[in-house]
Amino acid sequence: LAKTTQPISMDSYEGQEVNITCSHNNIATNDYITWYQQFPSQGPRFIIQGYKTKVTNEVASLFIPADRKSSTLSLPRVSLSDTAVYYCLVGDSGAAGNKLTFGGGTRVLVKP
Amino acid sequence: KAGVTQTPRYLIKTRGQQVTLSCSPISGHRSVSWYQQTPGQGLQFLFEYFSETQRNKGNFPGRFSGRQFSNSRSEMNVSTLELGDSALYLCASTATSTDTQYFGPGTRLTVL
Repeated sequence: LAKTTQPISMDSYEGQEVNITCSHNNIATNDYITWYQQFPSQGPRFIIQGYKTKVTNEVASLFIPADRKSSTLSLPRVSLSDTAVYYCLVGDSGAAGNKLTFGGGTRVLVKP
Repeated sequence: KAGVTQTPRYLIKTRGQQVTLSCSPISGHRSVSWYQQTPGQGLQFLFEYFSETQRNKGNFPGRFSGRQFSNSRSEMNVSTLELGDSALYLCASTATSTDTQYFGPGTRLTVL
């Protein structure tokens, strides 16, 4: 499974856009990029998943350049409740099954 | 659609005892994965079950075991508990056709 590297922490303010970049130089052809959000003492919550270019849903956007060696999660207009740890994961379940390898994540602190 | 449920939510045991945790996946999901989360080691993959068979296994000692029933519900067992087994144990279920894992709220195990 490809290893991911992301910043340890980021601070932001309410109403701002937060962009978290994840590096995954060894991403394989079949790998998808998935982001999770986790609050203390809760299970990770799926945010968004993509393979290439741009994906957008109601909570975030995911930008993936053509070489797919990195990806950027964009959280528009964050609020205090977006304070959490964000994990970037790369992998392909397929026939080999589901075995997510979590990195250290990025701790995002949203300030008033 | 109901999410992943885990029972119990909190558990206190003493060293040497054994414990069984339960996970009910989202209806229709056949894959169940288990993770251990500690402050020091982060989120680590334990094992995955699919159609009652263990399909993937992480790097944990044999004291950690699991099983899956025909209704996809899964249990995980830890025998001869050690202080270091204190952690949040997370269960995730996956639909057959996607790579997205949906996590439960976790079981907080404290070993005294």
